[in-house]
Amino acid sequence: EADIYQTPRYLVIGTGKKITLECSQTMGHDKMYWYQQDPGMELHLIHYSYGVNSTEKGDLSSESTVSRIRTEHFPLTLESARPSHTSQYLCASSARASNSPLHFGNGTRLTVT
Amino acid sequence: AQSVTQPDIHITVSEGASLELRCNYSYGATPYLFWYVQSPGQGLQLLLKYFSGDTLVQGIKGFEAEFKRSQSSFNLRKPSVHWSDAAEYFCAVGAGNAGNMLTFGGGTRLMVKP
Repeated sequence: EADIYQTPRYLVIGTGKKITLECSQTMGHDKMYWYQQDPGMELHLIHYSYGVNSTEKGDLSSESTVSRIRTEHFPLTLESARPSHTSQYLCASSARASNSPLHFGNGTRLTVT
Repeated sequence: AQSVTQPDIHITVSEGASLELRCNYSYGATPYLFWYVQSPGQGLQLLLKYFSGDTLVQGIKGFEAEFKRSQSSFNLRKPSVHWSDAAEYFCAVGAGNAGNMLTFGGGTRLMVKP
């Protein structure tokens, strides 16, 4: 049973639309992450946060932005979606300790037409 | 920077047969190592992890993995595969005080024949 929730599960939108992918966790984890995963490919870290008001960019450059106003909530926003943004977006969280494993949500599959 | 290689993109095994999925990592010190499984359309579920100590670690669903420092490997094994094990398997490495910043391998897709 997932303690980290992502909505929507699937989203199909037109080019130029603004979208926000939601991610919430109920585990009280300090750290949260967004990964991008193309079909059959590895995961790439695009954003992470160490806690409230902390956001950092990951290894993979992304035009998306994130915010962390509350511990449990880590939304990702695309101001103007493009077909190149079509992908699966996975949110994860972990406890503060550096060896704490990541807990993943079920992902949002985004298609931009 | 650390890196992870999973040499096998696809593996097919018969139900009941044994399984070994390979994972090689590159990192200068002792890494944190993880195996995750992803079913179609789902997120990733942690199978097992290695930080230190006993190099043979047990995980969920009957999986185990062995850390071999000399070979920079962390291979995943299961003695008898079930049809429900068909999924994508990812090896990941975290490093030092940035251990949560995981680097993932490209994944191995496991198919199980009846």
